[in-house]
Parts: sequence; C-alpha cells; structure tokens
Amino acid sequence: EPEVTQTPSHQVTQMGQEVILRCVPISNHLYFYWYRQILGQKVEFLVSFYNNEISEKSEIFDDQFSVERPDGSNFTLKIRSTKLEDSAMYFCASREQGTEAFFGQGTRLTVV
Amino acid sequence: LAKTTQPISMDSYEGQEVNITCSHNNIATNDYITWYQQFPSQGPRFIIQGYKTKVTNEVASLFIPADRKSSTLSLPRVSLSDTAVYYCLVDMIYNQGGKLIFGQGTELSVKP
Repeated sequence: EPEVTQTPSHQVTQMGQEVILRCVPISNHLYFYWYRQILGQKVEFLVSFYNNEISEKSEIFDDQFSVERPDGSNFTLKIRSTKLEDSAMYFCASREQGTEAFFGQGTRLTVV
Repeated sequence: LAKTTQPISMDSYEGQEVNITCSHNNIATNDYITWYQQFPSQGPRFIIQGYKTKVTNEVASLFIPADRKSSTLSLPRVSLSDTAVYYCLVDMIYNQGGKLIFGQGTELSVKP
C-alpha cells in the first residue's frame, strides 16, 4: 500500500533554531497538507499546498512557518525560529481529488 | 465546513459491537462523511467514507440517514487493538485542496 513518509521521526532543537521537517507524499497525489498535534490536544490544520503554491493556511501558520516542494517529490515545512510552544507532532498528508487523505506517521518536534 | 459533534469517550469489551454516533447538523450538499482512527503518536488513518445510506468495508460500517444530519460508525466485534481515538469529519472531497478539520474525537477504550 502506498504511504506518506516523514523524516525525521523525532527532532530535538533549541529554542530559536530553525528546523525543517520533511515529507514524501504519495507519488500521484496533487494536494499536500501539514497538520500539528500538541500532546493531548486535537489535530490542527496548518496549511494546504497545490500546484506549487499555498492554497489555504490557518491562523497558526504565521510568518515563522514556510512550506516548499523543492524537487517534485519532497514537501517540507520550515519553522524559522522555534519556540517552546512549537513542540508537537507534525503530520504531513496528501490526497488526490475525490479520495481520502493519507497521513504520515509524523515528526515529533521537541523544542528545549 | 460543517461542525461535527461526537461523544468524548466510550468504553467497550472485547467481542462487542461498538457504535459511535456523530452529528453534523449543518452538513452541505457537497460534503462527504469520513471517519479516521488515530493511535497514540501515530498519524490519523482513514477508516470509511460515505455520502448517504450505508457503506461497509472490511473493518467497519457507516450508517447515514436520509437527512444526513448524523452518522454512525459501527465496529463489529472489537478487540483490544481497536482502542484508539475515532474522528468524524465532513469532507468536501471534490473541493480543490479541501482541508480536513478535526474535532476532539471519541476516545474508545476496549477492555478484556
């Protein structure tokens, strides 16, 4: 079964540092997403991406966040200057139009 | 997107059938009803999706009445490994780049 893969599985970073979370969506999918889940809370939408541009973003996705599809297969989320409250699980998802979304296993980001 | 309401938690025993009901009073014509399952520290996993009446697959059934204002996920003969959080969502699957909005979900606990 095709799957969305995310790396790394766990990232520890110091406050103020930049991090890049990586995702490889399913190959024929056109729509890509990032979500986050703070421990014990619900899954929150961050951003959707289609045709090499952001199609929608939430209030959480402020100027410290950016997304990129650098090479036609990877899909990255960059957090420029991490804060303690950015500690969470980050999930990448992809889908075709008319089908369900497939989620990766997530990257656990710990900001210390 | 229509808001969904579902019980916060449910308890069951191995071998029982579990029914989780979700209300979505403001569901739109183009919305599909979708259920996801999430285990701790893992990404949400698609279970089942439907538009109206009944849908069945190898893991669950989904019952949707004619007015589509509610839906019921049915898990036959649950086992301990079905202990997870179950999310009911409405999804505009044919909307370009449609995002998923997660609520709190139903935490199902299956006991021996």
